[in-house]
Amino acid sequence: NAGVTQTPKFQVLKTGQSMTLQCAQDMNHEYMSWYRQDPGMGLRLIHYSVGAGITDQGEVPNGYNVSRSTTEDFPLRLLSAAPSQTSVYFCASSSVMRSNQPQHFGDGTRLSIL
Amino acid sequence: ELKVEQNPLFLSMQEGKNYTIYCNYSTTSDRLYWYRQDPGKSLESLFVLLSNGAVKQEGRLMASLDTKARLSTLHITAAVHDLSATYFCAVVINDMRFGAGTRLTVKP
Repeated sequence: NAGVTQTPKFQVLKTGQSMTLQCAQDMNHEYMSWYRQDPGMGLRLIHYSVGAGITDQGEVPNGYNVSRSTTEDFPLRLLSAAPSQTSVYFCASSSVMRSNQPQHFGDGTRLSIL
Repeated sequence: ELKVEQNPLFLSMQEGKNYTIYCNYSTTSDRLYWYRQDPGKSLESLFVLLSNGAVKQEGRLMASLDTKARLSTLHITAAVHDLSATYFCAVVINDMRFGAGTRLTVKP
C-alpha cells in the first residue's frame, strides 16, 4: 500500500530558483492538501483541492501554485524560492474534505532555500 | 477565520502521571481530529471525533469533544516514555486548520 507518496524527500535550492514538489496518492481520494510545518507553528495549509480541476487557497498561499489535473496527483510549485520558504512540506489526502476518516499524510519534503 | 489553539505547547511529565491536553477552536465544527508526530516523521492519526460528546480511547489516550464549548481534550493516563511525541488537533470548517501542537516529553 503506497498511500501518499511525496518526492523528493530532501531538496536544497538557491534563492530565485523554481521547483515542483510532487505528491501522488493511490486511494482514489478526492481531497488533497499541502501544508508547511515550521517550528512552533504547527501545520499551515498552503493550498487544497476537492477534486480534479478544483483548487483553492489556504492560509499561506503566496509564492506557491498548484494544479490538479488528475485525481491521483497534486503537485506544488515554488515559483521563485525565498529563504522564508525553508520548511518541511507535507501532502495529505482524504476521501472528501469533511471526512469521517482522517487525512493520510506523506512522509514530507525537507526544503532548504539558501 | 478559524483559529485552533492548543495548550500547553510544551509538557514534561513523569512516567505514571496523568495529564490533559486542551484544544480550543473559534468556529463551530462537528468534527475534530487528533494526530501524533514523532521527531522527523510524518503525522499519524489517533482519533476522529464526529459529534458532540464523542469519546474515544486507545490504550493510555482518551479524546473527547464538546462542540458547544468548542473544546476537545486529549487525556493521558499513567504516561509511559513511548508516548513522548508532538500531538496536534485539527478542525475542519471550509478547510482543515491545525493547532500549534503540544510537545510531550515523558521522563522516567
